[in-house]
Parts: sequence; structure tokens; C-alpha cells
Amino acid sequence: KAGVTQTPRYLIKTRGQQVTLSCSPISGHRSVSWYQQTPGQGLQFLFEYFSETQRNKGNFPGRFSGRQFSNSRSEMNVSTLELGDSALYLCASSLPGAEKLFFGSGTQLSVL
Amino acid sequence: KQEVTQIPAALSVPEGENLVLNCSFTDSAIYNLQWFRQDPGKGLTSLLLIQSSQREQTSGRLNASLDKSSGRSTLYIAASQPGDSATYLCAVNEDNQGGKLIFGQGTELSVKP
Repeated sequence: KAGVTQTPRYLIKTRGQQVTLSCSPISGHRSVSWYQQTPGQGLQFLFEYFSETQRNKGNFPGRFSGRQFSNSRSEMNVSTLELGDSALYLCASSLPGAEKLFFGSGTQLSVL
Repeated sequence: KQEVTQIPAALSVPEGENLVLNCSFTDSAIYNLQWFRQDPGKGLTSLLLIQSSQREQTSGRLNASLDKSSGRSTLYIAASQPGDSATYLCAVNEDNQGGKLIFGQGTELSVKP
């Protein structure tokens, strides 16, 4: 069974640009969550999608948004990038209910 | 607001030693607690999940305990190996929706041959 797939693996952008990251969950998983990981703040929850609906949202500005498609694949978008958005962005999928989360390898975003 | 703390932040032990990693949380109203492992630059691998009604879970050389009333969990690693070197993170889930975890800052473990 394939794991959670995130693309691209690495990304370099400049301030003010926007970026879209992609996440394909494990087959059969309908819940997809996104996390930001930085050395200073650690892992912070961004948002969660279930059946194409945002079910939970963390404390991030509106520049961070996401969506989920009917095949459960999810994308997150960051507009007007800032230097502080440089981070490892991780996606996780799970079965309905509070089951184990399975994480992808992440997208390392560098904002110059 | 829930806060999760892990002590120590870093730990170095010789191969073969048994060790304990600690995790504490401020609000005991959790649904479950998970322990993860993260290798440098990689994603997280789920090690153990303990439901709030459980006291412990075991997988191979790993044993995780949960004391919800005192807001504590421990991860016990028996007979440590160099391959166990990684960052270990604990995370709590406060509801049954599944996807929103609150993480500690992690313990960076180094096992020396």
C-alpha cells in the first residue's frame, strides 16, 4: 500500500510569491491534515480536511489556505510569502475517527 | 490552552542501555496520545497510540504508558541501538476528529555504538 505522497519535495521561492503544495493520502483515507514544522515553533497544526470540507483550522493567517478534492487529494496554498514561512510542511492522512496519523516526507519550502 | 512538554530536549546514551523519554500535557481532557519518531529532514513515523482509557501500549522494544490524571506519558525503549537515533515526539489529540494533534518539541536521541 502506497504511503502519503507529498510533492514537490523541495521548493525555493522569493518573498511575495505564492506557492501550492500537494498531498496524496493513503488509499481509503479521507482525512488529510497539514502541519508546519520550524526549528523555533516545532510542529504546528494548519488545517484538516475531511470529505472536501475543512473540519478544523489552526491559528495561522488567512494567507494559508487549503482544499481537498473528491479523490481525497489535498493542496495547500500560501500567498504573499514571507521569510518566516520557510519551513517543512507535512501532510498526514488517517481513517475517520481518531486513529493513527500517517505522515508524508514533507515539502521543504525556502523563502528568499 | 493545551501545552505539551518533552524532557529532556536531547539525550545521548551508549548502545544497549534502557531509556525513558518523558511527555507531559497540561489538560487531562485528551482523546488519545501518540508517540512518533522523526529522522532528520523526514516525515513522522507513528510508533504507538494510546487511547485515553488505556494505561499502556507495547510494540517490540517500545512501551508507552499514559497517566491521564497526572498529565504524563513515558516512552520506554529497551536495549537501545544506534538505529534508534532520531527525534521522538509525543502529541495529544483532544477530540475524536483525528487530524488535529498538539505536539511537544521533541527529544533528540543519540545512541552511541
